[in-house]
Amino acid sequence: GAVVSQHPSWVICKSGTSVKIECRSLDFQATTMFWYRQFPKQSLMLMATSNEGSKATYEQGVEKDKFLINHASLTLSTLTVTSAHPEDSSFYICSASTDASTDTQYFGPGTRLTVL
Amino acid sequence: DQQVKQNSPSLSVQEGRISILNCDYTNSMFDYFLWYKKYPAEGPTFLISISSIKDKNEDGRFTVFLNKSAKHLSLHIVPSQPGDSAVYFCAASGNTGKLIFGQGTTLQVKP
Repeated sequence: GAVVSQHPSWVICKSGTSVKIECRSLDFQATTMFWYRQFPKQSLMLMATSNEGSKATYEQGVEKDKFLINHASLTLSTLTVTSAHPEDSSFYICSASTDASTDTQYFGPGTRLTVL
Repeated sequence: DQQVKQNSPSLSVQEGRISILNCDYTNSMFDYFLWYKKYPAEGPTFLISISSIKDKNEDGRFTVFLNKSAKHLSLHIVPSQPGDSAVYFCAASGNTGKLIFGQGTTLQVKP
């Protein structure tokens, strides 16, 4: 149980285009979903926290107009990287939780974004 | 400011021996600590956690030790197996519910 999927697993796009990444909790309802970003050989950095039906809370330094997060249902959250640039190339990982407690975060497999 | 630090980027041990992965933190408000294991191109998998009210938690081959006064925790894996080869992240959390991750340590267990 507690499976989280992400789609796509990898994507290559041209600079200036927008890319949408989906995060789904397959067998449980996720009241809270988290989006992380990982650069090579660096730690996972929390980008934002989203609760179903409300606006996401972004971490300091994360542009909310560039990284649009929608948590439309209890099983789906999306991250849209708008007007992507090569520096946005990274590994994006979502996690889902049935509540805000940290020991029940289940991570997705991640999405590798490459912006040319 | 890196609140959670894993100062060893890599560690190599022989199969059957003990692996010790270390993690230091600076924020005294952290009260819950977790270790995750991550394979390339996959998301982290939860391994073991410890609350700040404890100094040790054991689960099979994995034991986490917490030294609050030193703001230091460690993950012991014994005996180490080749399948344990992965990147290990420690993470800390306070009352915000957010996880702050260290940079990770790549463990290689040699047969």
